[in-house]
Amino acid sequence: KAGVTQTPRYLIKTRGQQVTLSCSPISGHRSVSWYQQTPGQGLQFLFEYFSETQRNKGNFPGRFSGRQFSNSRSEMNVSTLELGDSALYLCASSLWGQGGDEQFFGPGTRLTVL
Amino acid sequence: QQQVKQSPQSLIVQKGGISIINCAYENTAFDYFPWYQQFPGKGPALLIAIRPDVSEKKEGRFTISFNKSAKQFSLHIMDSQPGDSATYFCAASPYYGGSQGNLIFGKGTKLSVKP
Repeated sequence: KAGVTQTPRYLIKTRGQQVTLSCSPISGHRSVSWYQQTPGQGLQFLFEYFSETQRNKGNFPGRFSGRQFSNSRSEMNVSTLELGDSALYLCASSLWGQGGDEQFFGPGTRLTVL
Repeated sequence: QQQVKQSPQSLIVQKGGISIINCAYENTAFDYFPWYQQFPGKGPALLIAIRPDVSEKKEGRFTISFNKSAKQFSLHIMDSQPGDSATYFCAASPYYGGSQGNLIFGKGTKLSVKP
């Protein structure tokens, strides 16, 4: 069974640009969550999608957005990039996204903002 | 409070020793407590998880101890091996079985096991 895949793995952007990251969940998984990982703040929850609907959202500005498609694949977008957005962005999928469901993480997309 | 506090930040253990990582939480609505292991360049992988209706769960060399009254839980790695060298994260999630699926993570512990 293929794991969670994320593309691209590495990305370099400049301030003010926007970026789109992609996540393909494990086959059959309907919930996709996104997390930001930085050395200072650790792993922080961005948002969760289930059946194409954002079901839960973390404490991030509106520049961070996402969507989910009918095949459960998900994208997240960051507009007007800031230096502080440099981070590893992780996607995790689970069957139903319920508390207690095991979340399987992808390898992440390393975003560097110059 | 939606926080999980993890300690220590880093840990060095000799091969064969016991590694102990501690976490504390405040929100009594948390009722699912997983531990994740992350190697460099990889995403976190679930190691072991516990619910508050049990005080201990063991899987191989890994044991979670849970103290509901103190709102603390810990990971014990017995017979630590160099291959266990990684960053470990505790996490908590509310509403087991409910619709809340996001995890709240501790800041992580970098474990180094010396041969």
